[in-house]
Amino acid sequence: SQKIEQNSEALNIQEGKTATLTCNYTNYSPAYLQWYRQDPGRGPVFLLLIRENEKEKRKERLKVTFDTTLKQSLFHITASQPADSATYLCALAGSSGSARQLTFGSGTQLTVLP
Amino acid sequence: KAGVTQTPRYLIKTRGQQVTLSCSPISGHRSVSWYQQTPGQGLQFLFEYFSETQRNKGNFPGRFSGRQFSNSRSEMNVSTLELGDSALYLCASSYLAPSTDTQYFGPGTRLTVL
Repeated sequence: SQKIEQNSEALNIQEGKTATLTCNYTNYSPAYLQWYRQDPGRGPVFLLLIRENEKEKRKERLKVTFDTTLKQSLFHITASQPADSATYLCALAGSSGSARQLTFGSGTQLTVLP
Repeated sequence: KAGVTQTPRYLIKTRGQQVTLSCSPISGHRSVSWYQQTPGQGLQFLFEYFSETQRNKGNFPGRFSGRQFSNSRSEMNVSTLELGDSALYLCASSYLAPSTDTQYFGPGTRLTVL
């Protein structure tokens, strides 16, 4: 069955450093991969979408890579700030039919220490 | 423009009862998806509606149902509530498809089943 794993449940880093979060998947060939941010008591907020034929996507301090050979996506936040503290979720979707629904990972809780 | 709204925000029910949750998507969005979020299972896809038709369905029992109206507003219904149905129910809207478009989540409805 499809499986999505996000590295550690919790990640603590120092302010100003680069945070790197990992999303690994098995038994899956996603066409699209998305990253979301979720704060406590709120719905997830869309951050970035990357397609299977794209290696890398950037948006301000955020960078996502998508390696279909390794079956892995890396999510980087550069120059991290305490305001970046949140849970980050990766989500995958196929390209047709029922595979187009999004399947979410369990999330990584990031804490940026001042 | 206004974001995705969900009503009610909090709900307490007892086992065996049924519940209806409502979601108003962003104006112009035709796709509405519903998710269940629990600490143990994470964020799980329930179903997606597009132009009043259910386009995709997750792996949930038939007690979970939904519908979409001509104005894209959506409702989901859970019949014969069980304790395990206690969760945060999230609605999300996108213009065409959640896999390829930015998906906007509502604040969720917190359902507690006693």
